[in-house]
Amino acid sequence: GDSVTQMEGPVTLSEEAFLTINCTYTATGYPSLFWYVQYPGEGLQLLLKATKADDKGSNKGFEATYRKETTSFHLEKGSVQVSDSAVYFCALSGSSGGSNYKLTFGKGTLLTVNP
Amino acid sequence: DTEVTQTPKHLVMGMTNKKSLKCEQHMGHRAMYWYKQKAKKPPELMFVYSYEKLSINESVPSRFSPECPNSSLLNLHLHALQPEDSALYLCASSQDPGLAGASGELFFGEGSRLTVL
Repeated sequence: GDSVTQMEGPVTLSEEAFLTINCTYTATGYPSLFWYVQYPGEGLQLLLKATKADDKGSNKGFEATYRKETTSFHLEKGSVQVSDSAVYFCALSGSSGGSNYKLTFGKGTLLTVNP
Repeated sequence: DTEVTQTPKHLVMGMTNKKSLKCEQHMGHRAMYWYKQKAKKPPELMFVYSYEKLSINESVPSRFSPECPNSSLLNLHLHALQPEDSALYLCASSQDPGLAGASGELFFGEGSRLTVL
């Protein structure tokens, strides 16, 4: 079945540091890939997405590229801010082996950015 | 309007109570979802409604009873819950994922934090 593996952290960085959160997946076919962010006490928000190989999703300075050859979708940001402190979830849907209605989530990575 | 609205935001109930969680969206989405999220864990899918019909039930205990009165509303009726059911309950909606060009993106509400005493 489908699975998503992401570095669990926690990750602690200083403001303006470079961020990478690794995400790899196992799925058949051509799933869509997502990064969701959950700020403390809130629901999940879509951060960025990519629906086909080599697509780059970007939003709020975050980027991730859909790499089919390495089955990866790593999240990067060049300069993090305190306000980026949150839990980040990598997820996929729409693989040919799974239901289009099911999002498969990674376990989440807690990011804390210190001033 | 790109919001999914959930009420109440917080709910405390005893094990013998009956309560309901409510969810509303006005994005024209025809798929709606209930997820359960425990602390420091990813959300777990409970139910999916597609075109107001129950499409997926992830073997959820019958003390949770979903209802989809129309294409904009989704309820979760709660009865005889256990303390271990305490969690954040998230509602989400999406386009029909079977439609051409649909990305599978889910729009989540802020959640209802449930405490069962």
